[in-house]
Amino acid sequence: AQSVAQPEDQVNVAEGNPLTVKCTYSVSGNPYLFWYVQYPNRGLQFLLKYITGDNLVKGSYGFEAEFNKSQTSFHLKKPSALVSDSALYFCAVRDSYNAGNMLTFGGGTRLMVKP
Amino acid sequence: SAVISQKPSRDICQRGTSLTIQCQVDSQVTMMFWYRQQPGQSLTLIATANQGSEATYESGFVIDKFPISRPNLTFSTLTVSNMSPEDSSIYLCSVGLAGAHEQFFGPGTRLTVL
Repeated sequence: AQSVAQPEDQVNVAEGNPLTVKCTYSVSGNPYLFWYVQYPNRGLQFLLKYITGDNLVKGSYGFEAEFNKSQTSFHLKKPSALVSDSALYFCAVRDSYNAGNMLTFGGGTRLMVKP
Repeated sequence: SAVISQKPSRDICQRGTSLTIQCQVDSQVTMMFWYRQQPGQSLTLIATANQGSEATYESGFVIDKFPISRPNLTFSTLTVSNMSPEDSSIYLCSVGLAGAHEQFFGPGTRLTVL
């Protein structure tokens, strides 16, 4: 079974400050991990993924995420937040044992960046 | 990546009626998925629709309520049948591309049932 948790419903940060959106996961095999962003009245946009290799992955719009196997975490980060980063962020996981490419999504975290 | 479109983008329907949502992809894909996102909630997978086989439904979703067609490698439809206000959600299709682990999503269809 695969599952993912986003412990924070909302994260508030001031523009220019660093941001972190947390994600933890549970899988039987190796994790494939993803971050998506959803702007109002839009579908989900893919930000970045971890499949294998370097634990720090870089993605779109200056976002990055760090895979930590011992803590089963994949937190999303950005060094300097923009007001335009305000959106709903979803972490997703797929177990490497899952041949059907099925993703399981976390509950989502609303990021509010204030000027 | 892939460019995915959905029709309609939104609709308001009366209870007891049915709505068919279309998903069109700009390239041929084997794997297509349909999700539901209820207000303020995360995404829940309804079914996987691979071309050439029957759709596979997740627990809690049945074919009579959510029939799916997948006539070719670029198109799929999801029908929401005998609708009730509880079906008010955003319905999203996504695709999985060969060699890519991530899924790419359409813009969604916002359904309101009165």
